[in-house]
Amino acid sequence: KQEVTQIPAALSVPEGENLVLNCSFTDSAIYNLQWFRQDPGKGLTSLLLIQSSQREQTSGRLNASLDKSSGRSTLYIAASQPGDSATYLCAVSGEGGSEKLVFGKGTKLTVNP
Amino acid sequence: DAGVIQSPRHEVTEMGQEVTLRCKPISGHDYLFWYRQTMMRGLELLIYFNNNVPIDDSGMPEDRFSAKMPNASFSTLKIQPSEPRDSAVYFCASRRGLAGEWTQYFGPGTRLLVL
Repeated sequence: KQEVTQIPAALSVPEGENLVLNCSFTDSAIYNLQWFRQDPGKGLTSLLLIQSSQREQTSGRLNASLDKSSGRSTLYIAASQPGDSATYLCAVSGEGGSEKLVFGKGTKLTVNP
Repeated sequence: DAGVIQSPRHEVTEMGQEVTLRCKPISGHDYLFWYRQTMMRGLELLIYFNNNVPIDDSGMPEDRFSAKMPNASFSTLKIQPSEPRDSAVYFCASRRGLAGEWTQYFGPGTRLLVL
């Protein structure tokens, strides 16, 4: 059974700092990995999606990497801003294009002005 | 587009009552997903539909839960009878069925409290 772990559970940083969020998964047979952002009281917003054949994806100040063989992904946020404060979740889908996403419990990020 | 719409946004009910959660997916999306989020278990997939047909309901916790999708623009998740342990935030999400289009779009969720 696939399990997704995110460490740390919470992170507080000063504005402007570069930071890395970690995600690990137990079964390397994945189809893709996604990073989502969740704001309090709101739904999830997809940030980046990495196919299993890819190593990384970039969007603005965000860069996500994937090491499928070791079961790890990182989300790098450059020059963090208070508006980046949210909970970040990663999710993996099974090999073969399974629709079933398995989510980690998230990292709650606070960026202090 | 207005995005995925869920109603109600908040629901407080008493144990034993029937609860119906509603979802309107994004127009043109072929897949619809129902998730539940709790502090203990995180976000879990309950059931998903493709072209209004339920494909996998293995995440539905028990027979008290049922979901329907009578047409492409509407789905319901029903709990009958409700129990306090059903208290959670329930999300609906949808996505296109096109090859390579994997991104799921989430609604704002329904926060359910069963007393």
